[in-house]
Amino acid sequence: DAKTTQPNSMESNEEEPVHLPCNHSTISGTDYIHWYRQLPSQGPEYVIHGLTSNVNNRMASLAIAEDRKSSTLILHRATLRDAAVYYCILNGYAGGTSYGKLTFGQGTILTVHP
Amino acid sequence: DTGVSQDPRHKITKRGQNVTFRCDPISEHNRLYWYRQTLGQGPEFLTYFQNEAQLEKSRLLSDRFSAERPKGSFSTLEIQRTEQGDSAMYLCASSLASGVYGYTFGSGTRLTVV
Repeated sequence: DAKTTQPNSMESNEEEPVHLPCNHSTISGTDYIHWYRQLPSQGPEYVIHGLTSNVNNRMASLAIAEDRKSSTLILHRATLRDAAVYYCILNGYAGGTSYGKLTFGQGTILTVHP
Repeated sequence: DTGVSQDPRHKITKRGQNVTFRCDPISEHNRLYWYRQTLGQGPEFLTYFQNEAQLEKSRLLSDRFSAERPKGSFSTLEIQRTEQGDSAMYLCASSLASGVYGYTFGSGTRLTVV
């Protein structure tokens, strides 16, 4: 499995934007970049995923570098409810089917200050 | 559909006893995954099914662990002769084979072996 590298922790203030970085220098052409987050005492929650182009949804934006060796999850206005562990994961695809398992690393612990 | 359901939410058992957990995935999802998570760590992959077929098992899944998905709907994870090291959160997730819309996780079953 291709690996990702994330900072152990980050801090933000409420209502400010948050940029969570992820390095994935060994990414292959068929790997999608997934982001999940896990709130305390809950299972991980899907946030966003993308392949090459930047992606937006109601939760966040995903900015993908041109060489795809890094990406950034952007929370446009952090709230206290965004305090969680954020995981950046690569998931390969072939023939319209994902390879299967997601391999989680340690993730980034995001603390949001009021 | 109420998402991925796991039962029970908590289980305390004595060392040496057998335990069984149940997971009900999102009905349209043909893939079902089991993960284990210990405190401070990211989820670790155990096994996954596509419909009834168990397609991959982690080396973490010792002979004491067995998972089934008999009709391609719900799944059970059984741990025989539990050990204290089995204490963890057991997470279930489901997805479409295409991975579109991401993976949906349940809230987990917390196992404590005393």
